[in-house]
Amino acid sequence: AQSVTQLGSHVSVSEGALVLLRCNYSSSVPPYLFWYVQYPNQGLQLLLKYTSAATLVKGINGFEAEFKKSETSFHLTKPSAHMSDAAEYFCAVGPSGAGSYQLTFGKGTKLSVIP
Amino acid sequence: DAGVIQSPRHEVTEMGQEVTLRCKPISGHNSLFWYRQTMMRGLELLIYFNNNVPIDDSGMPEDRFSAKMPNASFSTLKIQPSEPRDSAVYFCASRGETYGYTFGSGTRLTVV
Repeated sequence: AQSVTQLGSHVSVSEGALVLLRCNYSSSVPPYLFWYVQYPNQGLQLLLKYTSAATLVKGINGFEAEFKKSETSFHLTKPSAHMSDAAEYFCAVGPSGAGSYQLTFGKGTKLSVIP
Repeated sequence: DAGVIQSPRHEVTEMGQEVTLRCKPISGHNSLFWYRQTMMRGLELLIYFNNNVPIDDSGMPEDRFSAKMPNASFSTLKIQPSEPRDSAVYFCASRGETYGYTFGSGTRLTVV
């Protein structure tokens, strides 16, 4: 069984400020972890993924996330927010290993960037 | 690569009517997923296929919903009869050998 909790359904930051979106997961097997971004009226786009290689993962648009097994966390960060980062962000967990298909998504965090 | 293609982008229908949503996955991807997104429930997995075979349909809400994948390049999600509570955005996603899904742009369904 696996689940994802995203803390904060809505986060507001000023342009240029640090972005921190929190994600905690639960998984009965070693997990693979993902962050997706959804812009209005669009599908979900993969930002980055952790698949048991380096624990610090760099993604597109300057985002990165760190896998911390002891804290069961996979928080998403960006040093300096840009107006174009305003979107909804989803954390997802999937089981590692062959034959594993299903991703479980969190409820999402809507990021607002204040000019 | 055109990505995952869904049609229609928007669908407005009357309660009781049949609705068919369509999806073309990325060529070479062997897994296909149907998700439903609502404000209240977030993203819910409805069903997924591997090599055109339904693997898990436990997320399908009820018998009014059905999904098919007759070949590797096409899948449908059908609702018959449709109800207002089915109003949502329906996403199709596909996955190849490497982990990570590619999502389509979704179909926004409104049942009035």
